[in-house]
Amino acid sequence: TQLLEQSPQFLSIQEGENLTVYCNSSSVFSSLQWYRQEPGEGPVLLVTVVTGGEVKKLKRLTFQFGDARKDSSLHITAAQPGDTGLYLCAVQGAQKLVFGQGTRLTINP
Amino acid sequence: DTGVSQDPRHKITKRGQNVTFRCDPISEHNRLYWYRQTLGQGPEFLTYFQNEAQLEKSRLLSDRFSAERPKGSFSTLEIQRTEQGDSAMYLCASSSASGQPQHFGDGTRLSIL
Repeated sequence: TQLLEQSPQFLSIQEGENLTVYCNSSSVFSSLQWYRQEPGEGPVLLVTVVTGGEVKKLKRLTFQFGDARKDSSLHITAAQPGDTGLYLCAVQGAQKLVFGQGTRLTINP
Repeated sequence: DTGVSQDPRHKITKRGQNVTFRCDPISEHNRLYWYRQTLGQGPEFLTYFQNEAQLEKSRLLSDRFSAERPKGSFSTLEIQRTEQGDSAMYLCASSSASGQPQHFGDGTRLSIL
């Protein structure tokens, strides 16, 4: 079983629509990270959330850390084709990162 | 801006051959990580170096895999007697200290024929 469960696994929507993807766990974490990975490239860190209930915004992307620090969501407003990619959540272990399986997002023009 | 560099970007080889990948981390970073990513999955941790010392290895790292970081700068990952299941993207990352963000390279995609 995965430590981090991401849903949905795939999402394809039209440009201009809003969407939310989720990262869930039964474990409590001190922090959680979101990455975006484009085809043929490595993951790029978008944000780290630390405090339960914390909301961080990055342009049209809104990240929320659950009050109990077990889950997180990523909401994209007015999605654009440039938002297409694999969105990964991850938690930091002693040294290593542990990733969810990702949500593959496709924004159609 | 010199990020994490990996070479080669793609490698196609026959089953049973040996392959070696190289990672050059960000120059001031003393921590270096290897991950493996298969299709439809997130990256999975393989091993970690602090300077030249290999401090942690995943159970995914079978005895056919060996990683080195001889001078605490670049690292190599070698896979001996490759198998079909080794086909994946091999990602390298580096960080400046424990708990600091890991910066990823663009990976080496390995395909086993």
